[in-house]
Amino acid sequence: DTEVTQTPKHLVMGMTNKKSLKCEQHMGHRAMYWYKQKAKKPPELMFVYSYEKLSINESVPSRFSPECPNSSLLNLHLHALQPEDSALYLCASSQAGAQETQYFGPGTRLLVL
Amino acid sequence: GQSLEQPSEVTAVEGAIVQINCTYQTSGFYGLSWYQQHDGGAPTFLSYNALDGLEETGRFSSFLSRSDSYGYLLLQELQMKDSASYFCAVRAADSGYSTLTFGKGTMLLVSP
Repeated sequence: DTEVTQTPKHLVMGMTNKKSLKCEQHMGHRAMYWYKQKAKKPPELMFVYSYEKLSINESVPSRFSPECPNSSLLNLHLHALQPEDSALYLCASSQAGAQETQYFGPGTRLLVL
Repeated sequence: GQSLEQPSEVTAVEGAIVQINCTYQTSGFYGLSWYQQHDGGAPTFLSYNALDGLEETGRFSSFLSRSDSYGYLLLQELQMKDSASYFCAVRAADSGYSTLTFGKGTMLLVSP
């Protein structure tokens, strides 16, 4: 089973809203990732969690706040977003090793009005 | 940092063979991955090369030359469903953790 699930599939929010994206995997992976992908562009890494600890933050604005409650769950809390934050937000997971393959969830398509 | 170059678009007909090239510049290189992404979908893992040579998985093969910082994805017996974007991605060390950096993607259009 190489499934990563994400909810919601679609999200529309205003600039003053607070919302959360959720990601779950049951493959026993100990590394989880958030990526942002704009249309016709490659995924861009936002955050990496390894063994439930934030290990990489790619200079992401503080209006994006990640959380890893346990080894299977990864959240992305959103607050005071801007219209340019509209994108596909992808979660991925992998075993915690340099050579390990990352498996992506279906993504949450976010529209900020 | 890392940078990758791949063609922006490739067209081919059903049943043909197509090769998508990828050149990269990176430090702390671990390997080269390939992902397929259909419009509106998520990236799907296709293959990974850590060592020089050819890896074959069904209709898809991937090649790596570490000395040339070059790899390619070979798709054989093309089908309409292969129309998608294909990303090469370098796996490299970053602050002690492995990260993926993606190329800009190659849009493959397969026509009848």
